[in-house]
Amino acid sequence: QQQVKQSPQSLIVQKGGISIINCAYENTAFDYFPWYQQFPGKGPALLIAIRPDVSEKKEGRFTISFNKSAKQFSLHIMDSQPGDSATYFCAATRITGTASKLTFGTGTRLQVTL
Amino acid sequence: NAGVTQTPKFQVLKTGQSMTLQCAQDMNHEYMSWYRQDPGMGLRLIHYSVGAGITDQGEVPNGYNVSRSTTEDFPLRLLSAAPSQTSVYFCASSRGQGLYGYTFGSGTRLTVV
Repeated sequence: QQQVKQSPQSLIVQKGGISIINCAYENTAFDYFPWYQQFPGKGPALLIAIRPDVSEKKEGRFTISFNKSAKQFSLHIMDSQPGDSATYFCAATRITGTASKLTFGTGTRLQVTL
Repeated sequence: NAGVTQTPKFQVLKTGQSMTLQCAQDMNHEYMSWYRQDPGMGLRLIHYSVGAGITDQGEVPNGYNVSRSTTEDFPLRLLSAAPSQTSVYFCASSRGQGLYGYTFGSGTRLTVV
């Protein structure tokens, strides 16, 4: 059962364009929603994250929009660059006591063309 | 450089063999975890630990064993390898409850034939 659904599976964007990746979750008990970026042969790296009591968070060219009532959140990459070409994973974190469990979406492979 | 170190980077096993994937971190993080990454399925949690001596199961624990004797090390053991365990394995660590993000290793690509 996929608790975090991510779309699209792949995305091709021209340099300078806006890349948009969407995620939806089912469990309302999630506490934190990070996005991870993964380059080939590397482990995922934290890109940006948001708490559910915030509707938007921006860091440079990367913005998370969060809609708590719809249980949806999205990543926007403004002015996309070839160096942004990577796989992006949305995730949801649930904190229980001293532990936290991270549930990942299935990933979006982004290709930014010249 | 500080971070999470995984060894080996690549491994081929025969069905039924056992092996240990090593993971070490030098950031004094309390929380460590193991994930497997399969095409089209994202990353799935295998086992995790909130501190030395404390481990618990994640989403897909069957066929894997862990222990945490020190803060720095969190090895993953495959008891009797099966082709279904062919995957890329990532170890991750975090400070506290992961609200500051997880640091991932570079992965171990395991093939079971």
